[in-house]
Amino acid sequence: GENVEQHPSTLSVQEGDSAVIKCTYSDSASNYFPWYKQELGKRPQLIIDIRSNVGEKKDQRIAVTLNKTAKHFSLHITETQPEDSAVYFCAGGTSYGKLTFGQGTILTVHP
Amino acid sequence: DGGITQSPKYLFRKEGQNVTLSCEQNLNHDAMYWYRQDPGQGLRLIYYSQIVNDFQKGDIAEGYSVSREKKESFPLTVTSAQKNPTAFYLCASSSGQGRVDEQYFGPGTRLTVT
Repeated sequence: GENVEQHPSTLSVQEGDSAVIKCTYSDSASNYFPWYKQELGKRPQLIIDIRSNVGEKKDQRIAVTLNKTAKHFSLHITETQPEDSAVYFCAGGTSYGKLTFGQGTILTVHP
Repeated sequence: DGGITQSPKYLFRKEGQNVTLSCEQNLNHDAMYWYRQDPGQGLRLIYYSQIVNDFQKGDIAEGYSVSREKKESFPLTVTSAQKNPTAFYLCASSSGQGRVDEQYFGPGTRLTVT
C-alpha cells in the first residue's frame, strides 16, 4: 500500500520567514495530494491540494509543488504569521478514494 | 460547523466495555472514513465506506467494527478487543463516486478508557 513520509516533524520560524514542509510517497498510482492544517483541539481542514497533472499550485501565501518522477511534493508558506502555527499533514490518494497521511509537522511561528 | 458531526466530544469508558462513536453527515457524500489520531503518528485509517451497505478495512481495523446502513451515518464501535483504545477519533466524508477528493472532517471524539 501507499506510504507517505513527511519532514520535518517540527519546524520553528520567525514571523515573516518562509516555511517549507516536504513529503515523499511510494505508490506511483497516487494522483491526489492534499495538505491539511490542524489547530490544537480542532479538526483538520484542507488548505491546498494538487492533482498529478499539475506541477505547482498557489493560493495567496501558500503554494504546493509536485515532482511525480521523484515522488515528492512540498508545501511552501511565505510571509509566515503567528496564526500559521499549527500541525500540517500531507496525504496521498488514489482513485480508490483512500488517503494515506504523513506523520505531521508542528509549525511554530514566533512573533 | 455544519456538514459532518460527531458525538460525543468526550467519552469515558471502563476497560472491557464496547463503545460506539457516532458520525453523521448532511453533505450527500457517498464515502465516509474513520481515523484514529495519536500524538506524533498522524491520522491512521480504521475503516472506510464508499457506498451504503459496503465498507472496507483500513490499516488498523483490528478491535473495531462499523456499519453503513444509511448514507448519512457511519458509526464506529470500539470493542474490548482493541488493546489500546484511548485516542482521538476523527470521522470524515468525501464525495466518493470513484474519485479521490477533499475529505471533510468532523470535530472528533476523544475516547479515554481506564
